[in-house]
Amino acid sequence: DAGITQSPRHKVTETGTPVTLRCHQTENHRYMYWYRQDPGHGLRLIHYSYGVKDTDKGEVSDGYSVSRSKTEDFLLTLESATSSQTSVYFCAITSRANNNEQFFGPGTRLTVL
Amino acid sequence: AQKITQTQPGMFVQEKEAVTLDCTYDTSDPSYGLFWYKQPSSGEMIFLIYQGSYDQQNATEGRYSLNFQKARKSANLVISASQLGDSAMYFCAIARAGETSGSRLTFGEGTQLTVNP
Repeated sequence: DAGITQSPRHKVTETGTPVTLRCHQTENHRYMYWYRQDPGHGLRLIHYSYGVKDTDKGEVSDGYSVSRSKTEDFLLTLESATSSQTSVYFCAITSRANNNEQFFGPGTRLTVL
Repeated sequence: AQKITQTQPGMFVQEKEAVTLDCTYDTSDPSYGLFWYKQPSSGEMIFLIYQGSYDQQNATEGRYSLNFQKARKSANLVISASQLGDSAMYFCAIARAGETSGSRLTFGEGTQLTVNP
């Protein structure tokens, strides 16, 4: 357990509405990541952060934005949700103690109707 | 770009037997890391094992070992003495490490392992 929580854990929303997912960690990890997992597939990187206010795009960043104003929180925002963004969203951190370990939060299941 | 290929969509093994899950990778980076994760039906992602590209010895963690063959670009996961609780989806992933990126992972599509009693 790397002290990662995600909120909400489940959300149903309608097309066109904004949605913000929160990732919170308690162990002062520098690197944080947002991935999405679609049914039957592996995870794909959306955005990542390498420090407060330092973020960059991953392979599937279109339609998403992120912010990190504090070390412990990494927010993922869908400005105008679409049905193609229905997915399970995982937050992850790279361990401060061991840069070779990456731990995941419990995931947020988002459904866009 | 990095790529992971897992060619076995599903695997079956008898309880107490060993099983090998295949993973091949493609990367142009001279330095990289390889990860295996387990995802049970409950959905969480559980870190299992890591192998660095310059590590001389194959990584081991309890019943898990990583058969790393650099020349073949393969990083197979070996689970010894399978247990019913090993039934899950298993993902192989590769990371490009860097100061500003930490470990950005690229995942394969996974292998569904079923352990039969």
